[in-house]
Amino acid sequence: KQEVTQIPAALSVPEGENLVLNCSFTDSAIYNLQWFRQDPGKGLTSLLLIQSSQREQTSGRLNASLDKSSGRSTLYIAASQPGDSATYLCAVHQPGKIIFGKGTRLHILP
Amino acid sequence: NAGVMQNPRHLVRRRGQEARLRCSPMKGHSHVYWYRQLPEEGLKFMVYLQKENIIDESGMPKERFSAEFPKEGPSILRIQQVVRGDSAAYFCASSTGTGDQPQHFGDGTRLSIL
Repeated sequence: KQEVTQIPAALSVPEGENLVLNCSFTDSAIYNLQWFRQDPGKGLTSLLLIQSSQREQTSGRLNASLDKSSGRSTLYIAASQPGDSATYLCAVHQPGKIIFGKGTRLHILP
Repeated sequence: NAGVMQNPRHLVRRRGQEARLRCSPMKGHSHVYWYRQLPEEGLKFMVYLQKENIIDESGMPKERFSAEFPKEGPSILRIQQVVRGDSAAYFCASSTGTGDQPQHFGDGTRLSIL
């Protein structure tokens, strides 16, 4: 049974810092791995999707890596801004379903 | 191009009533998925449907919950005899197929039980 774990559960950092969010999964037989952002009371915003044959994806200040063999992914956020404050969800794609981690609540201090 | 449309956005029910949540997939998508997000919890898979068929309902509670995706019209998630513990955000996603086809998510329905 696939389990997705995100560490840390919560993180507060001063504005401008670079930071790394971690995600681990127990079953390496995945299709894709996706990072989402969720603001309080809102829906999901897709940030980056890494296909199983890829090692990383980049979009602006965000970079996500995937190491299937070790069951790990990281989301790197450069030069953090207060607007980055949100919950970040790691999601593993398997046939017919997505398995989500519980998320990392990020707070960027102005 | 409209995305996945869920309605209502917010739904309030009293204990014992029925709740019906609707999901219209993106145009051209024939696969629908429902997920539930309990307060302070991650999103959990509930059910995967194709037109007129339930493919995987391994995440559905055994009682009171049902889902359908008829030939015509939206997918419906139905909760009978609602209880306080059903209060959650319910998200629908759709895709063109399984495998590595990405799922596109709606904005969710927030269900509150009084």
